[in-house]
Order: sequence, then structure tokens, then C-alpha cells
Amino acid sequence: AQSVSQHNHHVILSEAASLELGCNYSYGGTVNLFWYVQYPGQHLQLLLKYFSGDPLVKGIKGFEAEFIKSKFSFNLRKPSVQWSDTAEYFCAVNAREYGNKLVFGAGTILRVKS
Amino acid sequence: DTEVTQTPKHLVMGMTNKKSLKCEQHMGHRAMYWYKQKAKKPPELMFVYSYEKLSINESVPSRFSPECPNSSLLNLHLHALQPEDSALYLCASSQGAISNQPQHFGDGTRLSIL
Repeated sequence: AQSVSQHNHHVILSEAASLELGCNYSYGGTVNLFWYVQYPGQHLQLLLKYFSGDPLVKGIKGFEAEFIKSKFSFNLRKPSVQWSDTAEYFCAVNAREYGNKLVFGAGTILRVKS
Repeated sequence: DTEVTQTPKHLVMGMTNKKSLKCEQHMGHRAMYWYKQKAKKPPELMFVYSYEKLSINESVPSRFSPECPNSSLLNLHLHALQPEDSALYLCASSQGAISNQPQHFGDGTRLSIL
């Protein structure tokens, strides 16, 4: 079975600091990888996704993530965070052999101090 | 605003009641999903419908009964729920029943069982 680990449950940063949120998955086959964000009081929104090709993917709002197959990782990065990035971030994995079963990590709550 | 609409936003019901949660999307998506999210936990998949047919049931108790009347609508019928069923119920949709397609989420229905 596939599983997803997010290492940091709570992260507090000051504005303009750089962000990296870790995500590791357990499945050894072909995977599709996603980062979703949930702003306070809002629905889950897709930040970015990786299916194939360039392992460095760029998403909305200046976020990017790098797929490192050898490390089973898909870490999320942003060079300079803003107060408006305060939200909960979920990494999610969908292994092709498992069809449409999207498995989420536990989530990371990011608070950006202004 | 999300393109996946869920009603009601909040629901309080007793353990002997029967109620239904509704989900609607008009993006032409052919796959729809129900997730359950407990407080401070990630969403967990319950059901997947693909082209209006149930394709995945994650061993959900029979007191939850999904229904997909047409490609735009997804219902979740509730009967004889338990207090531990109190949670946020999320609906999602994706373009097709292929694992690399991102899911679009609704705002959820917050369900409380008395």
C-alpha cells in the first residue's frame, strides 16, 4: 500500500524567509505527485503536480517542487514566503496501479509572521 | 470560489436520522469522489465514481450509501450514524478516471452526530 510522510507538522516563518516542506512516499512504482493547499476557511486547492518529464515543477503563487525518484521525495519550496501563504499544505500521491486512490500526507501547517 | 458545490455546509443529526449530502459539478468531469476528514487529519478516501459507476469503496460501513444520479451529481445518504462519524465530508471531481488527473475539491459539509 502507498503511504505519504510529511516531516513537519507545524512551521513558523517570518515574511521573506525561504520555505521547504518535506514529503516522502513509500510506493516503488510509477507515481503521480501533488501538493494541495488549504487556506483558512477555504477548500483544498491544487498548488502543483508531477506526472512525468522535468522533475522540477512550478506551480501557482511562486511555489515549486522537485521530484527525486531515488529518494522517493517531492519537496515543496518557495524562495520567499508572504503572510498570505499561511495555510495547511498537503502532499498527495496516486500510484497508477491503484487507479484513482489519492493518498494524502498528514499535512503541514505553515504560519508566516508579518 | 470552488467549482464543486456541496450542500449543506453544516449538518447536525441524531443517530436515528436519515439525511443526505449533495455534491454538484458542472465542469464535465466524469469521476467524482467522497472523502472524510477528521479534525487535524488528512482527507481519507471513501468512494470513487467513474462514469457514474462505483469503482472504489474503501470498506466504508453500510450506514454510508453513495449515489451518482448523473455525471454532475453525487449524493451521500446517511442513516444510523455514530458519533465517531462526525467529520468534514469532502466531495471532489476530476476530468476522468485516470490517476494523473488532479482532483477539484468542494468546501465540504461539516457533519455533527448527536
